[in-house]
Amino acid sequence: QSVLTQPPSVSAAPGQKVTISCSGSNSNIGNDFVSWYQQLPGTAPKLLIYDNNQRPSGIPDRFSGSKSGTSATLGITGLQTGDEADYYCGTWDSSLSAYVFGTGTKVTVL
Amino acid sequence: EVQLVESGGGLVQPGGSLRLSCAASGFTFSNWMNWVRQAPGKGLEWVANIKQDGSEKYYVDSVKGRFTISRDNAKNSLYLQMNSLRAEDTAVYYCVSKHYWGQGTLVTVSS
Repeated sequence: QSVLTQPPSVSAAPGQKVTISCSGSNSNIGNDFVSWYQQLPGTAPKLLIYDNNQRPSGIPDRFSGSKSGTSATLGITGLQTGDEADYYCGTWDSSLSAYVFGTGTKVTVL
Repeated sequence: EVQLVESGGGLVQPGGSLRLSCAASGFTFSNWMNWVRQAPGKGLEWVANIKQDGSEKYYVDSVKGRFTISRDNAKNSLYLQMNSLRAEDTAVYYCVSKHYWGQGTLVTVSS
């Protein structure tokens, strides 16, 4: 059972915005940087956001990350059909001495 | 071009062993490296990581005492020795740096 909680699914129409929450605790999100990963159907995950709000090269600025206390949020604006994927948050948990992933959120473009 | 190429997966009987390898190229290998797995139809599960010089290693509780992570910086390679394999270890195993993921190798534990 994951220590980071995400909504199972979110959806919106093309061009709209979605946000995905990731809720944790003081030993994980409250204590370290958060990353976000995108997994398109049938493919390996890809880093989307690191260090809470940094985008690797090649990731469009439609994707953004933020963190406040023990929660983090991924935002996707200008939603496209190609954004349909599973999204995971992740961070180090100092109590577990382990990296932990969120439960995952499926984004559907209506 | 950045590449992380896993190998060594396959079908193994419960209680058996496998050694996964990951060949890295195109980026600085002198970072923490990770193994992450994903069981069929399930979410991501971090398995283990290793510091640049191999002096620190961490494991998820479910594999402690059975799996060993190692690396050879001269060969830009990462390894995962998996012993006493169980059905619940069945998953695609990914080699992961801070910014990059490999394509994964499938491990199936079944009789």
